[in-house]
Amino acid sequence: DAMVIQNPRYQVTQFGKPVTLSCSQTLNHNVMYWYQQKSSQAPKLLFHYYDKDFNNEADTPDNFQSRRPNTSFCFLDIRSPGLGDAAMYLCATSRLTGSNQPQHFGDGTRLSIL
Amino acid sequence: QKEVEQDPGPLSVPEGAIVSLNCTYSNSAFQYFMWYRQYSRKGPELLMYTYSSGNKEDGRFTAQVDKSSKYISLFIRDSQPSDSATYLCAMKETGGGNKLTFGTGTQLKVEL
Repeated sequence: DAMVIQNPRYQVTQFGKPVTLSCSQTLNHNVMYWYQQKSSQAPKLLFHYYDKDFNNEADTPDNFQSRRPNTSFCFLDIRSPGLGDAAMYLCATSRLTGSNQPQHFGDGTRLSIL
Repeated sequence: QKEVEQDPGPLSVPEGAIVSLNCTYSNSAFQYFMWYRQYSRKGPELLMYTYSSGNKEDGRFTAQVDKSSKYISLFIRDSQPSDSATYLCAMKETGGGNKLTFGTGTQLKVEL
């Protein structure tokens, strides 16, 4: 029944070692989003894909990249993780970029940096 | 000043109480308002979705929007221990793509 699936749920990596988080969806939604959520903070949008069109938020560090090889999958790549990148990473989807389309979230990947 | 302000709590209430959760905002262009529930170590789950001002009811949950005051509320009637979670308000503009602006969340604990 899961609609937005994130793997792994927990990821540990070393300082500076590249890491990839994955998200898949069974909703066939056009738009996929990546958010970063730190403890007791609001989710912060990093970027989103509208189909194959990539949209980066102005304040997203260059260290964060994303790939969307097809409608169902989207990846978040962190090229050189720093201690400040330890957070929950949430993937979300929505049908279109129309204003009345809600976003549906996965359960997140909690990233720890050693 | 943040665009969306939300009291972080924690808010502790007895089972059966009526809970009121609130957010204020500064951007008058916000037209769509949402409440998400987030359990520990889980992703946000959409609870309520409203457009512009007014009330919307769904079971024990009522969402209220007062655009003139830039104030939104979520009421939970007959609260249950299973309602214990963090509640995030979120909002977006018309024509602003689909970018959500979240509050920081209010942590709610419903005690037996």
